[in-house]
Amino acid sequence: NAGVTQTPKFQVLKTGQSMTLQCAQDMNHEYMSWYRQDPGMGLRLIHYSVGAGITDQGEVPNGYNVSRSTTEDFPLRLLSAAPSQTSVYFCASRNPGSYGEQYFGPGTRLTVT
Amino acid sequence: GIQVEQSPPDLILQEGANSTLRCNFSDSVNNLQWFHQNPWGQLINLFYIPSGTKQNGRLSATTVATERYSLLYISSSQTTDSGVYFCAVGGNEKLTFGTGTRLTIIP
Repeated sequence: NAGVTQTPKFQVLKTGQSMTLQCAQDMNHEYMSWYRQDPGMGLRLIHYSVGAGITDQGEVPNGYNVSRSTTEDFPLRLLSAAPSQTSVYFCASRNPGSYGEQYFGPGTRLTVT
Repeated sequence: GIQVEQSPPDLILQEGANSTLRCNFSDSVNNLQWFHQNPWGQLINLFYIPSGTKQNGRLSATTVATERYSLLYISSSQTTDSGVYFCAVGGNEKLTFGTGTRLTIIP
């Protein structure tokens, strides 16, 4: 199992550009989430999905879109990048219930200039 | 939303020492997990522990759900234990993270 994979590992964007961060998992997990991590602020939830075709907003959704067309994939789209979106982005997956340990991808470091 | 508070924010220990990290949360939860973020940024799940006690080698965790706190114990610390420890709590769908405890183990 590859677990949770994310691409790219690093990205530099100019203000106003758009891009998609890719996330895939091969553990057949129902739940997938996107977080951003900024210094001193822990991880904040951007969007999450409890199954294919179902997504919802987290704590900091503005400026980001998601879709979940398959169980495996959960891409995060930045519509018009802003310097405030400079951060490290983590994708995660888990199953609901008593054995729902959450697994994280390696992260994408994004810089917006 | 639910508030998660971790203490202490920073902890510096000699190799071989023991430590206790605390996580307080503001509402009842049915999901609580502890994670370790190593110095390279990788996040590893340590425990899924919404209640009770679990042990895994030198690490153990206890959650007292009725009093809304969880403790992570690290015994006989090693330099590889350095990093940031996060507590995350929530219901069935969402997890809210605390701001972490940064642990530094000095050889």
